[in-house]
Amino acid sequence: EDQVTQSPEALRLQEGESSSLNCSYTVSGLRGLFWYRQDPGKGPEFLFTLYSAGEEKEKERLKATLTKKESFLHITAPKPEDSATYLCAVQTYNNNDMRFGAGTRLTVKP
Amino acid sequence: EAQVTQNPRYLITVTGKKLTVTCSQNMNHEYMSWYRQDPGLGLRQIYYSMNVEVTDKGDVPEGYKVSRKEKRNFPLILESPSPNQTSLYFCASSPPYTGELFFGEGSRLTVL
Repeated sequence: EDQVTQSPEALRLQEGESSSLNCSYTVSGLRGLFWYRQDPGKGPEFLFTLYSAGEEKEKERLKATLTKKESFLHITAPKPEDSATYLCAVQTYNNNDMRFGAGTRLTVKP
Repeated sequence: EAQVTQNPRYLITVTGKKLTVTCSQNMNHEYMSWYRQDPGLGLRQIYYSMNVEVTDKGDVPEGYKVSRKEKRNFPLILESPSPNQTSLYFCASSPPYTGELFFGEGSRLTVL
C-alpha cells in the first residue's frame, strides 16, 4: 500500500534559523510529489511539484528536493509568516488519487 | 477570481439527517475531489471525479455519495450522517493529471 510519512510532526524555529522538513514515501510508480502549505482555517495552497529524483524547485525561502525515497522542504532564514502546516502528497501512475502525509506544523518565532 | 467555493462552511446536524455540501469551481477544471481532514490522519480522499458523469472512490468512501452532472459542481452527500463523520471537509479541483489542486476554504461538519 502507498504510504507517505512526514517528519517531524511539529517544528519550532527562531526567525532566521534554517531547517528542513522530511517527506518519505513508499509507492509503486511515482507520477509526482507535491508540497502544499496550509494556514489555520484555510484550505491547502499548492507550492511545488517534483517529478523525478534529483529535481529541485525554489520559491522565496523554500526549496524542495526529491530522491527516490524521500523529499525535503528546506527553509532558509525563515520568517514568522512562514509559520503554517506543510503537507506532502504523492500521485502514482496506478491510480488517479492523491495521497497526503499528516503534515509538519511549523512555527517560526520572532 | 479563480476559486473553489464550498457551502456551508460550518454545520451542526444530528445523526441520520441527510445533508449535502456543495462545491463549485470557476476554473473549468475537469478533475474534482473531496477530502476529509482529521487530526493526526491528514487529508484522506473520499471521492474524486475525472470529468462529468465519471466518479470513483478514494480511500474513505463509506457513508458518502457524490454526483458530477455539471463540470463546475461536485456535491458531497451524506445520506445518513453518523458522529464518525464529524470532520473538516475540503473540495478541490485541478487541471487533468497536474496534481496541482486548488482547494476550497473547507466545511466543518459536526454530527451529534
